[in-house]
Amino acid sequence: GIQVEQSPPDLILQEGANSTLRCNFSDSVNNLQWFHQNPWGQLINLFYIPSGTKQNGRLSATTVATERYSLLYISSSQTTDSGVYFCAPGEGTYKYIFGTGTRLKVLA
Amino acid sequence: ETGVTQSPTHLIKTRGQQVTLRCSSQSGHNTVSWYQQALGQGPQFIFQYYREEENGRGNFPPRFSGLQFPNYSSELNVNALELDDSALYLCASSRGTSGRFGTDTQYFGPGTRLTVL
Repeated sequence: GIQVEQSPPDLILQEGANSTLRCNFSDSVNNLQWFHQNPWGQLINLFYIPSGTKQNGRLSATTVATERYSLLYISSSQTTDSGVYFCAPGEGTYKYIFGTGTRLKVLA
Repeated sequence: ETGVTQSPTHLIKTRGQQVTLRCSSQSGHNTVSWYQQALGQGPQFIFQYYREEENGRGNFPPRFSGLQFPNYSSELNVNALELDDSALYLCASSRGTSGRFGTDTQYFGPGTRLTVL
């Protein structure tokens, strides 16, 4: 099955800072999602991005499927950005494989 | 709010017992996937239901079983509970089509936190 590696595992930022989270995956994929899990456990979709670049406010994501990686950019971070960020490439036709996540803490 | 609901929110059981968790999918979605998330880990795929049939399964034993109903809501049943079953159980709904069963954008419910003593 697909192996997913996310880096860095932990990240502490001062409010207002920018960051880049990386996701490497071991096989070609047709689907990929980025999620944010808040401290209460709710997983929120950020991007559905099998390839290319998308932007949504302060967040943007780029997937280079041919090189098997995806990046999530967070600009002007806020304390509400704290939580765990997961990358999940799709495997086959029915399931997503989650990485171990990047734990982000944004300090006021 | 994703429109996906789960019940109950928390549950405490003892080893050997059986448990049923419930999930209501988002309106217009016909596919439900279940995931188990242990503390400090990413969610792991248990299985997926598409139009009332199991569509695919992860590396979980047969004591993990499920159902999907005509309204596309779903249940996850776990028999003979073990201590390692303690986890957050998440369901996700999506819109699948024939030949491509629901790997499109998945919307997650808030989860059921199960503790096995």
